[in-house]
Amino acid sequence: GAGVSQSPRYKVAKRGQDVALRCDPISGHVSLFWYQQALGQGPEFLTYFQNEAQLDKSGLPSDRFFAERPEGSVSTLKIQRTQQEDSAVYLCASSLAGQAYYEQYFGPGTRLTVT
Amino acid sequence: GNSVTQMEGPVTLSEEAFLTINCTYTATGYPSLFWYVQYPGEGLQLLLKATKADDKGSNKGFEATYRKETTSFHLEKGSVQVSDSAVYFCAPSYGGSQGNLIFGKGTKLSVKP
Repeated sequence: GAGVSQSPRYKVAKRGQDVALRCDPISGHVSLFWYQQALGQGPEFLTYFQNEAQLDKSGLPSDRFFAERPEGSVSTLKIQRTQQEDSAVYLCASSLAGQAYYEQYFGPGTRLTVT
Repeated sequence: GNSVTQMEGPVTLSEEAFLTINCTYTATGYPSLFWYVQYPGEGLQLLLKATKADDKGSNKGFEATYRKETTSFHLEKGSVQVSDSAVYFCAPSYGGSQGNLIFGKGTKLSVKP
């Protein structure tokens, strides 16, 4: 079946622009995670949804970052007034449920470059 | 907070050499433990996992054992191949009901023929 898909794959934004990154999880997966991966580093947790409820947003680096999953399926990560430090790969992952032992399936990521 | 420490790379080995990549995690609670791999040009994918003490995860010739007493989950392979060249990430999940992964910095492995 289809895996996790993300769009766009690459995004170049001028500093100060707003961007929206989309994630289509695996059908039927209850849990959805967003991670940020800086160059040469491991991914860092941003936020977590269980169905449409955002249960944890403790990893969002500033109030310029906003995520939603209104119908419990597709999710969008929005970054307002982008800054150069926002340049990274943004990864989306989904899993059957939120318990720690469930495997997370990752999308290919969106590489954001802020100029 | 919870964290994971992973052997720094890069690691360069000859084909058929033995591989160990060390990983230790914070001993808070009882995490599930994962190794994820990122092949060149591809997305992150699960390599293996273990969810309780003394469990051994294995896949594609790789193994790792959940050692609660040493809070470790070292990755091993007896004979690496060129196709194993990738970045490897150790990632505990402390869960509760959420299960977000905490990734190490990654270890880049290059295997030469």
